[in-house]
Amino acid sequence: NAGVTQTPKFQVLKTGQSMTLQCAQDMNHNSMYWYRQDPGMGLRLIYYSASEGTTDKGEVPNGYNVSRLNKREFSLRLESAAPSQTSVYFCASSSRQGRADTQYFGPGTRLTVL
Amino acid sequence: GQSLEQPSEVTAVEGAIVQINCTYQTSGFYGLSWYQQHDGGAPTFLSYNGLDGLEETGRFSSFLSRSDSYGYLLLQELQMKDSASYFCAVRSGATNKLIFGTGTLLAVQP
Repeated sequence: NAGVTQTPKFQVLKTGQSMTLQCAQDMNHNSMYWYRQDPGMGLRLIYYSASEGTTDKGEVPNGYNVSRLNKREFSLRLESAAPSQTSVYFCASSSRQGRADTQYFGPGTRLTVL
Repeated sequence: GQSLEQPSEVTAVEGAIVQINCTYQTSGFYGLSWYQQHDGGAPTFLSYNGLDGLEETGRFSSFLSRSDSYGYLLLQELQMKDSASYFCAVRSGATNKLIFGTGTLLAVQP
């Protein structure tokens, strides 16, 4: 099993450009999440999806949109990138049947917006 | 709202024991978790406490006191590879969402 995979690993954008970060999990988990992590900071939740077909805002949703394409895939879109969105983005998943606090994280996408 | 406080940095020597504290404020409590993150890596789950007391997993233990809104992670027989950031996290209401603390950077010195 690959666990949680994310693409791309690195990305540089210019202000105003758009892009989509891809995330997929092969653990048959119901819930998926997008976080951002800034230097010296904890993880802040951007959006989450409790199950296929549902999405909800987290702590810092402004400037982002998400799509839960199916049970495996959860994408994060930046419509018009800003320098303040320079960060490391982590996708995670968890199983409702399991211990709800056990989240499994992907390797991250390091995004720089110039 | 919900918030968590933990020390920003801790330093210890190889072979020693270190305790990383976490205090939290939540509207409703559904468990305290701990995650480890090596520099440049992804967070990985370490431990979870849903009830008061101590949970032990090898060299790592985690403790919870719900009446004090307090928990800690105890690392024994420290090794150089334990140098990492450690985050406590609480569930946000009766959902699967987690709220993370800002992390404690543990430096293990020879």
